[in-house]
Amino acid sequence: GAVVSQHPSWVICKSGTSVKIECRSLDFQATTMFWYRQFPKQSLMLMATSNEGSKATYEQGVEKDKFLINHASLTLSTLTVTSAHPEDSSFYICSARSSTGTRAAYEQYFGPGTRLTVT
Amino acid sequence: AQKITQTQPGMFVQEKEAVTLDCTYDTSDPSYGLFWYKQPSSGEMIFLIYQGSYDQQNATEGRYSLNFQKARKSANLVISASQLGDSAMYFCAMRNNQGGKLIFGQGTELSVKP
Repeated sequence: GAVVSQHPSWVICKSGTSVKIECRSLDFQATTMFWYRQFPKQSLMLMATSNEGSKATYEQGVEKDKFLINHASLTLSTLTVTSAHPEDSSFYICSARSSTGTRAAYEQYFGPGTRLTVT
Repeated sequence: AQKITQTQPGMFVQEKEAVTLDCTYDTSDPSYGLFWYKQPSSGEMIFLIYQGSYDQQNATEGRYSLNFQKARKSANLVISASQLGDSAMYFCAMRNNQGGKLIFGQGTELSVKP
């Protein structure tokens, strides 16, 4: 079964509004979570890396004031797209790495993704 | 800087045949990991196989095997006995063991013909 969940799976919002996407690791603790964006027929582009209890590290070219990331606990990270515009429409995928437990240390688990459409 | 390259945008294979998906990489780090993921049309990323840079043997997971050629910096995925359900996007990815960021190649769209 799924080990990382995302909510919502899809969302449509109006231009100028904000949208929050949740990512949860279900059966392991994730000290590090990653947020990716994927446009149709393209690869996954890393947006930011978040560590529990500290500020996220954003990749070059990603606006940190627009894409707010919070990693408040070992099982939850949120991505908020603020003042969304049509060009923000994309498939957003989170990923989590297990820090301890039975999961292999090298494995990185992905959520099912959230399809955001901004009208 | 790390870089992952997949040069095959699309591949076709006949059902029950084997297929090789190419992946080359570039890194100056001596310690790294190589991954392959499958992404069906639903969008979920499915982990297939992992190869560590210090692993002596090529990784295998069921019908998936990774042809790791370290000197050539290639990590090709071999799928044996292709099935219709193998039709999907396949991504090669690399992570150095210090930074922890997983960087993806461009992807290869595999179509399995009946």
